[in-house]
Amino acid sequence: QSVVTQPPSASGAPGQTVTISCSGSFSNIGSNTVNWYQQLPGTAPKLLIHRNNQRPSGVPDRISGSKSGTSASLAISGLQSEDEAEYYCAAWDDSLNGPVFGGGTELTVL
Amino acid sequence: QVQLQESGPGLVKPSETLSLTCTVSGGSISTYYWSWIRQPPGKGLEWIGYIYYTESTKYNPSLKSRVTISVDTSKNQFSLKLTSVTAADTAVYYCARSEFGELLPYYWGQGALVTVSS
Repeated sequence: QSVVTQPPSASGAPGQTVTISCSGSFSNIGSNTVNWYQQLPGTAPKLLIHRNNQRPSGVPDRISGSKSGTSASLAISGLQSEDEAEYYCAAWDDSLNGPVFGGGTELTVL
Repeated sequence: QVQLQESGPGLVKPSETLSLTCTVSGGSISTYYWSWIRQPPGKGLEWIGYIYYTESTKYNPSLKSRVTISVDTSKNQFSLKLTSVTAADTAVYYCARSEFGELLPYYWGQGALVTVSS
């Protein structure tokens, strides 16, 4: 059972916008920045968002992140079939003194 | 662009020690946090521990008694040892690196599947 909670699944039609939530506590999301990772089947996680809302080079601007209090969100607009993947949020946890990951959200493009 | 590559046995017997090495290319192992993270089949990500280039380490309390992470700066490698393994330790093991000024994993290796079975 993850310390940080994500919905197990999300879906949307091509072109739509999907938002994935990530809920934590004061010791993790409430006190530290959040990263988001995309994991395609059989591959390693890939960084999508770091420091709550910063996109690494090469990540399209239709992907965005935000944080408020002890929760964070990942938004994907202009949904494409290639966006079908598992998405994980992560935050440093001050109690653990290490990173905690959400349980993952499986995104389906209808 | 920094690249990380895990290597080690893909099959380990129960009660034995799992050993993996992460070789870093395209950058020095000095500076940054170097982590091991695992993912059991069909499940989510679990942080195992990290080492800073100064050899300071921190481990997940759930694994602390069985884990050792070390670094070899001369080879630009860091390693994971997990003792007394059971089937529950079967997973894809990833090595990862933080970015400057950050703590969370930024760059990831491709992963190495380790199966614990007799």
